[in-house]
Amino acid sequence: EVQLVESGGGLVKPGGSLRLSCAASGFTFSSYTINWVRQAPGMGLEWVSSVSGINNYIYYADSVKGRFTISRDNAKNSVFLQMDSLRAEDTAVYYCARVHRDGYLNDAFDIWGQGTMVTVSS
Amino acid sequence: DIQMTQSPSSLSASVGDRVTITCRASQGISNSLAWYQQKPGRAPKLLLYSISRLQSGVPSRFSGSASGTDYTLTISSLQPEDFATYYCQQYSSPLLSTFGQGTKLEI
Repeated sequence: EVQLVESGGGLVKPGGSLRLSCAASGFTFSSYTINWVRQAPGMGLEWVSSVSGINNYIYYADSVKGRFTISRDNAKNSVFLQMDSLRAEDTAVYYCARVHRDGYLNDAFDIWGQGTMVTVSS
Repeated sequence: DIQMTQSPSSLSASVGDRVTITCRASQGISNSLAWYQQKPGRAPKLLLYSISRLQSGVPSRFSGSASGTDYTLTISSLQPEDFATYYCQQYSSPLLSTFGQGTKLEI
């Protein structure tokens, strides 16, 4: 079964750090761009970051640039999101999502994880 | 940045109704437009990509079209399981994939 499973969410104080993981299974992980998308409580979807499969092209939304770092380990079929200098407005469910076609940088997101909740509060 | 303006923000309808949801892109995005359905507490589900291509397993009552920079999702005959929130997404640029604000479809 093609699957993404996030972990690592939790409660953290403003200014703190958290590292999210996204474990993939059921497909050739190294061929696919993986994205992080977040959703604040009661709000819409916001794309956060992406990392391509082969050439490791990396992109960030302006709202997280300089604070979040995306990385991947193709040997472990995993993508990570290191979140530093966290703010209250980073509170959200964080989803990892796979692009639809292998080898594509830009594409729709066809496989999503179940999400992991990050709460930034003192 | 490419902005996606989605309308309406909410919509009341009945089983069997035909409904349309629209997204307007702030600039050209070619055919890089997808639609998602999200139910409470669940991850979004891809319905359509490349404007009008139906994702595997999605019922044919869902369809997509475009006119210029206006993109439309149509549900031809609402079923009880279709009541959810719908989002459009442009993916023409990897630098910033953007979503519309969402449309909550209610009974």
